[in-house]
Amino acid sequence: DTQLTQSPSTLSASVGDRVTITCRASQSISRWLAWYQQKPGKAPNLLIYKASTLENGVPSRFSGSGSGTEFTLTISDLQSDDFATYYCQQYLTYSKWTFGQGTKVEIK
Amino acid sequence: QAQLVQSGAEVKKPGASVKLSCKASGLTFTAYSIIHWVRQAPGQGLEWVGAINPSDGTTSYAQMLQGRVAVTWDTSTNTVYMELRGLTSEDTAVYYCARDPYYDYWSGLMDVWGQGTTVTVSS
Repeated sequence: DTQLTQSPSTLSASVGDRVTITCRASQSISRWLAWYQQKPGKAPNLLIYKASTLENGVPSRFSGSGSGTEFTLTISDLQSDDFATYYCQQYLTYSKWTFGQGTKVEIK
Repeated sequence: QAQLVQSGAEVKKPGASVKLSCKASGLTFTAYSIIHWVRQAPGQGLEWVGAINPSDGTTSYAQMLQGRVAVTWDTSTNTVYMELRGLTSEDTAVYYCARDPYYDYWSGLMDVWGQGTTVTVSS
């Protein structure tokens, strides 16, 4: 199965900062990568799919890039509502969908 | 507005079985939305458990849970069920159901999520 490794595990930032989270895949997944945001006690929320396509309703300060084995999620102008844990997910192979271990964005 | 509403928290003893439900509101499974189950152990990440295509009943399961998990659906009530047998403490987690956004296609993406059901396995 394809393993996903996110870095960093925790990120401390301030409102207004630009933050970047990296997700590395153990093998090429082309652009079959999604990003989810999860707040404490809540279900994950789909932000980005196909590496860079923004889900409807997601603010434009979120962006994704990458292909193959290396991907990034960038939040420009971090807002208080953005403090949460972010997960990448690969969906290349039927029934072998996997998630990264998560990156917690916390207030500095 | 599409919504998935899950059943309430469960406490089970080791070796028991649990059956969770996920009812669609504002959308119908006859629209051929694959429904996934994903779990999250306390303080841990997300793990895909299994899924069903209500259009033809096809199911798929995570290899590590094969033989212990079963996902079924009831078209008359627009409800998907996930049963997990032979519970151990390692099955303690929040279990989410989630919709695959594509028509009759197993993309693996999940765009609408239930609120989650906590399953605690303890003697």
